[in-house]
Amino acid sequence: QKEVEQNSGPLSVPEGAIASLNCTYSDRGSQSFFWYRQYSGKSPELIMFIYSNGDKEDGRFTAQLNKASQYVSLLIRDSQPSDSATYLCAVTGGGFKTIFGAGTRLFVKA
Amino acid sequence: EPEVTQTPSHQVTQMGQEVILRCVPISNHLYFYWYRQILGQKVEFLVSFYNNEISEKSEIFDDQFSVERPDGSNFTLKIRSTKLEDSAMYFCASSDARTDTQYFGPGTRLTVL
Repeated sequence: QKEVEQNSGPLSVPEGAIASLNCTYSDRGSQSFFWYRQYSGKSPELIMFIYSNGDKEDGRFTAQLNKASQYVSLLIRDSQPSDSATYLCAVTGGGFKTIFGAGTRLFVKA
Repeated sequence: EPEVTQTPSHQVTQMGQEVILRCVPISNHLYFYWYRQILGQKVEFLVSFYNNEISEKSEIFDDQFSVERPDGSNFTLKIRSTKLEDSAMYFCASSDARTDTQYFGPGTRLTVL
């Protein structure tokens, strides 16, 4: 059974701090890795995708992938109260199926 | 900016009834997906659809479920005989390549009574 694991949180950080979200996955054949943000009652909204080992930066967000350790992370710099949401890690292997983690709830305190 | 749309936003049905959930994917996308999310739980893959056929499905997607692209724009999910445990948010998504970014619609909340 292919799994994607995340700490459910909640992760609480003060406004302006760096929030660090982590994810591990079980399928070594996984090829594509995504971070989505989901507000309560809403659909997942893509933040970033990463395919290769290393870091990928987009504005305040940095995704990090380590395939050897089967580990993906998301850093949010200068966290804002509007970043408070559930962050979903999603992984796609060689097929069409995307597996989501259960999500980490982030609270950014003003 | 193009987006995935879904109708209805909320569907209430009686157990045993058939429901059809509708989606309009982003127009130049070729891959289409349905997911569900039971309240408080993970987003779960149901099925992917490409070139007018199912490309992959999960163990959740049993004989009660079917998908169809009846015309060039709509993508539908049919549940033949709904059960109480089918109550969930159903999300449609589309992408323009198999491992590329999937864009999600706003979802349909299905409530089975």
